[in-house]
This record gives sequence, structure tokens and C-alpha cells, in this order.
Amino acid sequence: AQKITQTQPGMFVQEKEAVTLDCTYDTSDPSYGLFWYKQPSSGEMIFLIYQGSYDQQNATEGRYSLNFQKARKSANLVISASQLGDSAMYFCAMREVGGNTPLVFGKGTRLSVIA
Amino acid sequence: SQTIHQWPATLVQPVGSPLSLECTVEGTSNPNLYWYRQAAGRGLQLLFYSVGIGQISSEVPQNLSASRPQDRQFILSSKKLLLSDSGFYLCAGQGSYGYTFGSGTRLTVV
Repeated sequence: AQKITQTQPGMFVQEKEAVTLDCTYDTSDPSYGLFWYKQPSSGEMIFLIYQGSYDQQNATEGRYSLNFQKARKSANLVISASQLGDSAMYFCAMREVGGNTPLVFGKGTRLSVIA
Repeated sequence: SQTIHQWPATLVQPVGSPLSLECTVEGTSNPNLYWYRQAAGRGLQLLFYSVGIGQISSEVPQNLSASRPQDRQFILSSKKLLLSDSGFYLCAGQGSYGYTFGSGTRLTVV
């Protein structure tokens, strides 16, 4: 069964600094997708970045990048030049491509950006 | 692009009362649809998912149920709410690229 682990319940980062949010996963399916979502206090889920298991390069979307280490089964999110508006909950999620399997989430990391 | 409509935004219900939360999808046909629940400060727990009309998979046995009467409609129900049913309920749809979430319903059972 697929599983997502986020070991950092909370993180603090200084404004304009970079921060890495950890995510490890477990799956027996060789084909899978990894997602990161941001959830501000309003509750909406905002899609940030996606990495496919067969993608050769690490995904990048603006200030977000995904440090994908397949052998270690890790998919850490890196946020560069943190802004106050980055303060939110961040969730790592995975879906196995084989079959109609659902998107499964980790427990999340609460990021607080300090001025 | 896919849009998920979810209502109401907030709901306060007494223990033992029924519940019906509706989710509708715009922009895609026959999407996979999901109901998640999030307890305060916690992660998202998958409750139900549906791959088509009348097809429901339950992830967590409880007093909630789900139905998909139409291709673009997904309903979460309960006959009698418990205090433990309080939480933030999110509907999500799987589109051609990624997943789209509704704006959520914050349910408080009192």
C-alpha cells in the first residue's frame, strides 16, 4: 500500500531564505506521481508542483522546486526566497498510476515565515 | 479546465441530525471524485472515492456514506451525525492533469 511520511510538524524560516520540507514515500508501483499542495488558513488546497516517477529532471515551478531522489524514495519541496505569504500548511501526496488508486496525503508541515 | 463546486462553506449541525454535502464538477466528464476529511490541524483523510456513476469505494468504515447519482455529482451523507464527524470536508476531482479541490465545508457538530 502506498504511504507518505512528512516528519516535520512545523518549520520556521526567515523571510528571503530558502527552506526544505521533507517528504518520503513508499510504494511498490514503479509508476507513480508525487504532488505538493499548499493550504493557507482559508482551507483551500493550492497545487504547487508535480513530479512523475519517470521524469528525468527535478520539477521546478517558479520559487518551488522538488528534490526528487528516487532511490531514497524522497521528494522534498524546496521554497526559495521565502515570503510572508508562504506561511501555510504544506502537504505531500502521491498517487500510484496503476489502477484507479486515490491520491494519498502525508500529515503535513506547518511553515511559518518570520520577518 | 476542471472546477469543483462545493457547498455550503460552513455548517453547524446538532448531534443526531442528518447531513448532505454536495459536490459538482465542471469542465470534465466522468472524472474520478474524492471526499476527504481534515480534522483541525491534521492531514487529509480519504473517506470515499468514485470512478463513475454508482461506483463508490469506502476507505474508512463509519457512519458516513457517499453516492454518485450523476457523472458530475458526488454527495456525502450521514443519517445521524456524531461529534467526531466535525471537521473540514474537501471534495476533489482528478482531471487530465492533476487534481482539483473544492473550497471545502467546515462542519461543526454540536
